[in-house]
Amino acid sequence: EVRLVESGGGLVQPGGSLRLSCAASGFTLSNSWMGWVRQAPGKGLEWVANINQDGNEKNYVDSVKGRFTISRDNAENSLFLQMNSLRAEDTAMYYCARVRRASYTLFDYWGQGTLVTVSS
Amino acid sequence: DIQMTQSPSTLSASVGDRVTITCRASQSISRWLAWFQQKPGKAPKLLIFEASVLEGGVPSRFSGSGSETDFSLTINSLQSDDFATYYCQQYTHYPLTFGGGTKVEIK
Repeated sequence: EVRLVESGGGLVQPGGSLRLSCAASGFTLSNSWMGWVRQAPGKGLEWVANINQDGNEKNYVDSVKGRFTISRDNAENSLFLQMNSLRAEDTAMYYCARVRRASYTLFDYWGQGTLVTVSS
Repeated sequence: DIQMTQSPSTLSASVGDRVTITCRASQSISRWLAWFQQKPGKAPKLLIFEASVLEGGVPSRFSGSGSETDFSLTINSLQSDDFATYYCQQYTHYPLTFGGGTKVEIK
């Protein structure tokens, strides 16, 4: 069974940093692109970033470029999102998602999310 | 960026009804469109990909159609488990973009 479990969320002040983790199990992480999608409270879904299987290709939504970094450790079955210079508008539930094999962008499994709150 | 516009934003329906949600892309995305269902406090769940291909385990009362810029999700004979919010998403161009969502609520 595919399982994705996010952690690392919490309350952080504007300008602060946070590192999210996603523990993957039930599949071979190194075979899949992976991504992060966020959802502000009461709002819709917003794609944040994707990373390819070996971590040398990354894509970001413009609003996080230069502030967020997606990375992975296939040996540890983990995906990460380093978030720096956080802003109030980054407040959201952050979901880790697997990209279907033979696709670069179709999310087929999602974790339950970790909540990030940026507030003073 | 490709804008995805869903309508309606809210839909009131009864168990047994047939409901249709539409999604329009601001430019052609061929058939690279997915539909997700999200229930309160839960992660999104993939229902349909490539505009009309049903994900494994998804009931056959769900169907998708469309291509290029105009798409739709139809639920035949709405069940109580189907009351949720539905999102379309294009997955052919970065940035990947979602529609604003359609909440299907009980009439």
